[in-house]
Amino acid sequence: EDQVTQSPEALRLQEGESSSLNCSYTVSGLRGLFWYRQDPGKGPEFLFTLYSAGEEKEKERLKATLTKKESFLHITAPKPEDSATYLCENGNKLVFGAGTILRVKS
Amino acid sequence: KAGVTQTPRYLIKTRGQQVTLSCSPISGHRSVSWYQQTPGQGLQFLFEYFSETQRNKGNFPGRFSGRQFSNSRSEMNVSTLELGDSALYLCASSLNRGGDTGELFFGEGSRLTVL
Repeated sequence: EDQVTQSPEALRLQEGESSSLNCSYTVSGLRGLFWYRQDPGKGPEFLFTLYSAGEEKEKERLKATLTKKESFLHITAPKPEDSATYLCENGNKLVFGAGTILRVKS
Repeated sequence: KAGVTQTPRYLIKTRGQQVTLSCSPISGHRSVSWYQQTPGQGLQFLFEYFSETQRNKGNFPGRFSGRQFSNSRSEMNVSTLELGDSALYLCASSLNRGGDTGELFFGEGSRLTVL
């Protein structure tokens, strides 16, 4: 069965304290690993798509990487406005992980 | 360009009633998918429609149904509402290039409360 597992469930960081979120997947025929950001009371917003192992994409303080079994979302020097729930999704089957709730304190 | 529009944004129903939610996708997007989001279960896939045909279905009971019209607008219906159906229902549209759903564009959601 296709599964997407995210860790940690919640992460509290001080402003400027870099860290990484993990998304591990067990899917057949992965056709894209997607990262989304969701703010409270809103729908998720697309961040990145990764298709092959070794691929990396960056946007401001965020960098997403992909291996054959997992993806990482690295957050460098986060700011309070980066606080949100980060979701990863197996684009082949529309299966989402449970998400990581990130809180960045100033 | 206009985003994904979901109506109504909020609604309150009682057990046993039924509800219909509407989703208007981004112009040109032919794929519409629906999700249920609750604090305990996260974002759960309900079903996906492409060109008026249900292409994928999640693991939900038959009380949950949907359809897509020729203009790509979609509706989902929940019959015989239960307390556990209280959730944020999200709709997403996508361009669907090459048979893959691709990047999803979400609406703001319809928050359903069942009393």
